[in-house]
Amino acid sequence: SQTIHQWPATLVQPVGSPLSLECTVEGTSNPNLYWYRQAAGRGLQLLFYSVGIGQISSEVPQNLSASRPQDRQFILSSKKLLLSDSGFYLCAWSSTRPAPQETQYFGPGTRLLVL
Amino acid sequence: GESVGLHLPTLSVQEGDNSIINCAYSNSASDYFIWYKQESGKGPQFIIDIRSNMDKRQGQRVTVLLNKTVKHLSLQIAATQPGDSAVYFCAERRIIADSGGSNYKLTFGKGTLLTVNP
Repeated sequence: SQTIHQWPATLVQPVGSPLSLECTVEGTSNPNLYWYRQAAGRGLQLLFYSVGIGQISSEVPQNLSASRPQDRQFILSSKKLLLSDSGFYLCAWSSTRPAPQETQYFGPGTRLLVL
Repeated sequence: GESVGLHLPTLSVQEGDNSIINCAYSNSASDYFIWYKQESGKGPQFIIDIRSNMDKRQGQRVTVLLNKTVKHLSLQIAATQPGDSAVYFCAERRIIADSGGSNYKLTFGKGTLLTVNP
């Protein structure tokens, strides 16, 4: 079966510090990968998606970047965090075997607090 | 513009009652919808999906209804239990423009908070 992991689970960082959140998927190959942010009491905002290694598409201009160094690894980064980067960050995957599927499966999330 | 939204931001029901959570969408070309459940501090969990060639689909204690005429879908939970307390999101499928129609992304509604009172 497929599983998705995110770490860390919780992170408190000072303004201006760098950020690296990691997401890995097991049990599948060539998944589509997604990063979302969820502000408190709000819906899900798609930040980045990736259909393959090194292929990153950005949905909204922001202080963040994403990378996919390996097939099942997706990383969310920032060089300098802003207060507004605080939120709940969710990674998701969807299958592309035998054909791209619509259903996305989410990881447990990382709660980021920027002070 | 395209949007997926929910009529009721909060819903409070008694344990054992049936719950109905509603969602409206504006993109008439949407042909696939998903309901997710998100418990506090956790990632969203897939509940049930429905394609536009259907108007009803049933799962275990859950039923999704789709009314394409008024662009509305609903999630019905039978015999609601305290464990059903969560935020429920609807999402619609959108094809990623530069993927040649082969990859998708989801647009999510804002969510409805369901509280089940014992």
